[in-house]
Amino acid sequence: AQTVTQSQPEMSVQEAETVTLSCTYDTSESNYYLFWYKQPPSRQMILVIRQEAYKQQNATENRFSVNFQKAAKSFSLKISDSQLGDTAMYFCASHLSGGYNKLIFGAGTRLAVHP
Amino acid sequence: DGGITQSPKYLFRKEGQNVTLSCEQNLNHDAMYWYRQDPGQGLRLIYYSQIVNDFQKGDIAEGYSVSREKKESFPLTVTSAQKNPTAFYLCASSIRSNTDTQYFGPGTRLTVL
Repeated sequence: AQTVTQSQPEMSVQEAETVTLSCTYDTSESNYYLFWYKQPPSRQMILVIRQEAYKQQNATENRFSVNFQKAAKSFSLKISDSQLGDTAMYFCASHLSGGYNKLIFGAGTRLAVHP
Repeated sequence: DGGITQSPKYLFRKEGQNVTLSCEQNLNHDAMYWYRQDPGQGLRLIYYSQIVNDFQKGDIAEGYSVSREKKESFPLTVTSAQKNPTAFYLCASSIRSNTDTQYFGPGTRLTVL
């Protein structure tokens, strides 16, 4: 079965510091897409960043960037200059296979940003 | 404003009752999805629809049913056959089905009393 694994159930960081959330996945596909979603206390799932596997350049969105290591099947999220509003659950997800857009989600990492 | 709406935000159901969760989008997206989220877990796909009048089972479809009569709407019915329906339900949509980014609604919290 195709899986997405987030090995850090909880993490914490001081405001203005940098934190990295880990994600690994398993796939036999050659092309796929990877996502990080944020779920704040409101529970709305918000897209943070998206990476296309055929692109070697790591995706960046303002303070959020990824370290995509295709050979290692690793897709970590780096949050720079952490803000209190970054406190949330973060889910790694991958569109791995199939003729439809099936997302496989990891179990999530709960991030707490402290003042 | 374009977006995805879900109603109600909170829903309580007695055992043995069917309930329907609403999902509407005005993004002109072709594909729509229903996910279930349990505490401490990621999302699991219940049903998806790539176009109007067509839908397919996801990983955990047992005890659920859907319809897709309009492009904008994709209601989910939780039937009495669903043995453990208490969960958070999220609806999503994407432009098409192949690899497009999915955007999510605010969710419905269903509690069985």
